[in-house]
Amino acid sequence: DGGITQSPKYLFRKEGQNVTLSCEQNLNHDAMYWYRQDPGQGLRLIYYSQIVNDFQKGDIAEGYSVSREKKESFPLTVTSAQKNPTAFYLCASSIGQLYGYTFGSGTRLTVV
Amino acid sequence: DAKTTQPPSMDCAEGRAANLPCNHSTISGNEYVYWYRQIHSQGPQYIIHGLKNNETNEMASLIITEDRKSSTLILPHATLRDTAVYYCIVRGRNAGNMLTFGGGTRLMVKP
Repeated sequence: DGGITQSPKYLFRKEGQNVTLSCEQNLNHDAMYWYRQDPGQGLRLIYYSQIVNDFQKGDIAEGYSVSREKKESFPLTVTSAQKNPTAFYLCASSIGQLYGYTFGSGTRLTVV
Repeated sequence: DAKTTQPPSMDCAEGRAANLPCNHSTISGNEYVYWYRQIHSQGPQYIIHGLKNNETNEMASLIITEDRKSSTLILPHATLRDTAVYYCIVRGRNAGNMLTFGGGTRLMVKP
C-alpha cells in the first residue's frame, strides 16, 4: 500500500545535539512538507519542497535544515541552533495543488 | 491565503449529526475550502474540499454559502471515533500556496 512513513515515532535528544527525522513516501508525490506542532496548537510550516533538489523555508525554518536528493525522501535535521525543539513533527506529501496533503504519523521529539 | 475562524470546541451526541462551522469572510474567488481532522497524536487526515458547490463524500458533506464567506462541515452520524480536532483551511490553487493550520475545533462526541 502507498503511504508516507516517518521514523522514529519517539526520539530523545540531549541538548546541543543535532538529530535527523526521516520521512519517506511511495506515493510518487512531487511535493513534500515538514510541520511542527506544539501541545494544543495548530501546525506550523518549517520547510517544503515542490521538486527534487529544491526546497524553501516555511514560517519557522530557523534551527532546521532539510535535503531533497530523492523524490521519495525529505529528511529534517533539527540542529542545536533550534532553541526549543521539543515538539511533534509531521511530514506530508502532495501530488499537486488540488488534492491536499497526505500526512505521516509523526515523530515526537523530546530534548532531555 | 484567507484566514478562517472556528469555534474552539463543540460537543455532539453519538449518532447525531455534527455540524462544524467555519467563517472565511475574506476568501477570494480562486481559493478553495479544505477540511482536515486530527485524532490525538496522529497526523491530520484529509476529509473534503470545495470551491463553491456543496460537496459530499463517504466521510462528510461540505456546505458552502452562496457568498462563500462561510462553510459547514457535516458528519451525518457522528461516532466516538470522530472525536478529533477539525481544521478548516482556505487555500489558493497557485503554486506556493501552502496549507495553513489554525487552532481548529475540538469536537467531542459523547455516548
